[in-house]
Amino acid sequence: SQELEQSPQSLIVQEGKNLTINCTSSKTLYGLYWYKQKYGEGLIFLMMLQKGGEEKSHEKITAKLDEKKQQSSLHITASQPSHAGIYLCGADIQAAGNKLTFGGGTRVLVKP
Amino acid sequence: GAVVSQHPSRVICKSGTSVKIECRSLDFQATTMFWYRQFPKQSLMLMATSNEGSKATYEQGVEKDKFLINHASLTLSTLTVTSAHPEDSSFYICSASHGAGSTDTQYFGPGTRLTVL
Repeated sequence: SQELEQSPQSLIVQEGKNLTINCTSSKTLYGLYWYKQKYGEGLIFLMMLQKGGEEKSHEKITAKLDEKKQQSSLHITASQPSHAGIYLCGADIQAAGNKLTFGGGTRVLVKP
Repeated sequence: GAVVSQHPSRVICKSGTSVKIECRSLDFQATTMFWYRQFPKQSLMLMATSNEGSKATYEQGVEKDKFLINHASLTLSTLTVTSAHPEDSSFYICSASHGAGSTDTQYFGPGTRLTVL
């Protein structure tokens, strides 16, 4: 199994609906990053969380890191077609700086 | 800010030839750069970490003689795939960060799709 598990693997939502993606590890997440990728392109940085219980928001996207720093969630409110893509969580699980281990990704499709 | 470019975006080469991919940080100095490989519908696999002016650190299972990494300046790192074979065909992505701390965000390039015939 992967050291960083993402769920679900894929998601289809109706435009305007909310969605949540989870990223879980059995290890402590010393730095947790969320990125978005469109097929065949690079990764776009969304947010970084470091402290247990931390929550950040940007536009309609909210990311949280739990108190134990082993689970993070990414929540999109009132999804739009522009939110479609692959969401990846990446984390420092070795306390070795910003060398990241990535989850398997969640493919999001937003139906108009 | 924090723009990273890669060149070329696509390359097709014959088996046995070498291919060089460039990764540039355009508006910041990147102390650390990372090279990843991504297979279709899979996540990113870290290949190596490079720090300016020093030898790259390769991940387990990555052949350093096959994937040559040079980080000659604070804005440029290159990955050379030597004697490429069809199994080297993949999407290669680089990232750059100001430093190596856990809060130093990695900013990613757009990727290079390599096809070896």
